[in-house]
Amino acid sequence: AQSVAQPEDQVNVAEGNPLTVKCTYSVSGNPYLFWYVQYPNRGLQFLLKYITGDNLVKGSYGFEAEFNKSQTSFHLKKPSALVSDSALYFCAGLYSGGYNKLIFGAGTRLAVHP
Amino acid sequence: GAVVSQHPSRVICKSGTSVKIECRSLDFQATTMFWYRQFPKQSLMLMATSNEGSKATYEQGVEKDKFLINHASLTLSTLTVTSAHPEDSSFYICSIAQRSYNEQFFGPGTRLTVL
Repeated sequence: AQSVAQPEDQVNVAEGNPLTVKCTYSVSGNPYLFWYVQYPNRGLQFLLKYITGDNLVKGSYGFEAEFNKSQTSFHLKKPSALVSDSALYFCAGLYSGGYNKLIFGAGTRLAVHP
Repeated sequence: GAVVSQHPSRVICKSGTSVKIECRSLDFQATTMFWYRQFPKQSLMLMATSNEGSKATYEQGVEKDKFLINHASLTLSTLTVTSAHPEDSSFYICSIAQRSYNEQFFGPGTRLTVL
């Protein structure tokens, strides 16, 4: 079955420290994977995507993610967290059975403390 | 990326009334738009796929007679919540997909509160 899992409901990080938000996937075929960020009462903003090519994907606002096929993971990372990074983060995979149907993880709330 | 707008951003209505939410693609002709709903502190749930000029495809468990979707042009899709009830209160988000980039662009969302 197609699924995307985010094992952590919340991640707490001190400002300036590196952050990781975890995501694992189960999507058939060649997975298309995405990270989105959502601020309160706002829609989703695209951060980055993996389609093919380099396993390390760089995205907006200094975020990057590493596609690991053997571990079926696509963790989001940033070397130095900012308080303004505090938001809700969603990992998503493209469902191959339909046109661009995204399967979302449950979301991880990132809290960056000063 | 594509720019997507939604109107209204917030709406409060009485139980039993109908509410229309608009989703507009401002700089891209979208043959396909998606409608999601999001409950507090939960993930997005796909409600339906809106195809320009044809009937929408609804996900399992979504009542098509309650959530009417019209995609009359390449830049506009509407979601009408008919006979709204308090349990329909939610955050409704639309998106468009660019086929060549396998990427969806999301609107800012509409907060519906049914009293």
